[in-house]
Amino acid sequence: EAGVTQFPSHSVIEKGQTVTLRCDPISGHDNLYWYRRVMGKEIKFLLHFVKESKQDESGMPNNRFLAERTGGTYSTLKVQPAELEDSGVYFCASSLQGEGGYTFGSGTRLTVV
Amino acid sequence: AQKITQTQPGMFVQEKEAVTLDCTYDTSDPSYGLFWYKQPSSGEMIFLIYQGSYDQQNATEGRYSLNFQKARKSANLVISASQLGDSAMYFCAMREAWGFQKLVFGTGTRLLVSP
Repeated sequence: EAGVTQFPSHSVIEKGQTVTLRCDPISGHDNLYWYRRVMGKEIKFLLHFVKESKQDESGMPNNRFLAERTGGTYSTLKVQPAELEDSGVYFCASSLQGEGGYTFGSGTRLTVV
Repeated sequence: AQKITQTQPGMFVQEKEAVTLDCTYDTSDPSYGLFWYKQPSSGEMIFLIYQGSYDQQNATEGRYSLNFQKARKSANLVISASQLGDSAMYFCAMREAWGFQKLVFGTGTRLLVSP
């Protein structure tokens, strides 16, 4: 079974530009999560989808971040416009409904210069 | 509010020795789960071990065991017989049963295994 796939693995953009990160969860996993790790700090929750619905978006830092999961399959996280403090590693994870295990992707390293 | 504390930014251990990575947590929820993840230099997050708050036994998975002390709110990871491939970042995380299943992570511990 394919794991959680994230694209791109690295992205370097200038302040003010737009970047879109993509996450393909494990097929059949209803739950999809986005997390972010800023250098040297803890990994922080951003939001949680159940199928195509946002279950919890309490961790989204501000309205420059927009997450979608059309059709309940893959998800995108758009940052527009990007700021320097948005730099970090963005992780996606998925899990089955009602199951405890989470499978993480390898992350997207975003650098805003 | 949930909080995970990992007080060791870095740990060193010699190959074949055991090492304990510390994790303390804070929660008001009587039902919760504790996780440990490994992040090697390649970047992926690898699930290692899980402990439920009502589990009577400490969790074990191969060379990994979780020293769960509920009264002290600690969930230390013990790696026995360290291998060079164990060098990585290790994250402790918690999920409350009544939350929306999100994980709360600590800041991580970087483990270096030397020959």
